Amino acid sequence: DGGITQSPKYLFRKEGQNVTLSCEQNLNHDAMYWYRQDPGQGLRLIYYSQIVNDFQKGDIAEGYSVSREKKESFPLTVTSAQKNPTAFYLCASGRQVNQPQHFGDGTRLSIL
Amino acid sequence: GIQVEQSPPDLILQEGANSTLRCNFSDSVNNLQWFHQNPWGQLINLFYIPSGTKQNGRLSATTVATERYSLLYISSSQTTDSGVYFCAVENSGYALNFGKGTSLLVTP
Repeated sequence: DGGITQSPKYLFRKEGQNVTLSCEQNLNHDAMYWYRQDPGQGLRLIYYSQIVNDFQKGDIAEGYSVSREKKESFPLTVTSAQKNPTAFYLCASGRQVNQPQHFGDGTRLSIL
Repeated sequence: GIQVEQSPPDLILQEGANSTLRCNFSDSVNNLQWFHQNPWGQLINLFYIPSGTKQNGRLSATTVATERYSLLYISSSQTTDSGVYFCAVENSGYALNFGKGTSLLVTP
């Protein structure tokens, strides 16, 4: 089936630790995105990528890093510099920017 | 950046009732999508509707781009319609801006 796969579904981070969230898509989409959702809120953009080997900061990029070495993959690293990482993280993809976006099922990150 | 306001913030319906959710936005848009987030957090595409009207079963949506609003209609609501409905727009050439959502509870 075509779609977006995020893993893991649940992730726990210790203080001072970096963790990486996986996002893979087999929709042949050029654009990929990472959003963060806090309880009772809408989604906010962390990073986006319009093409392989290129990515741009979104509204809340501090404390996060990404890579886009393959078209299918857009992993997000939550670094120790992100002081409030507890949130629900959603990955999305689209054929191009300003085309419909499709979302994965998300990863819930918590602090131990 | 573009502002997105959704109303009402919360809505409780009895099964079988109809409802209208509204999304106002502050600038012209290239993309407008409606999503349903279920209790497990999954974000489901409902409509891609930067302008015009679309229908899908009991759901329909209308966007009046010149007046900067969109409406989502839910008819004959069911308990499975419960969740949060988000409107998201794009006008900057990169990513979606989300409203805060309308939380819908449909009771039996």
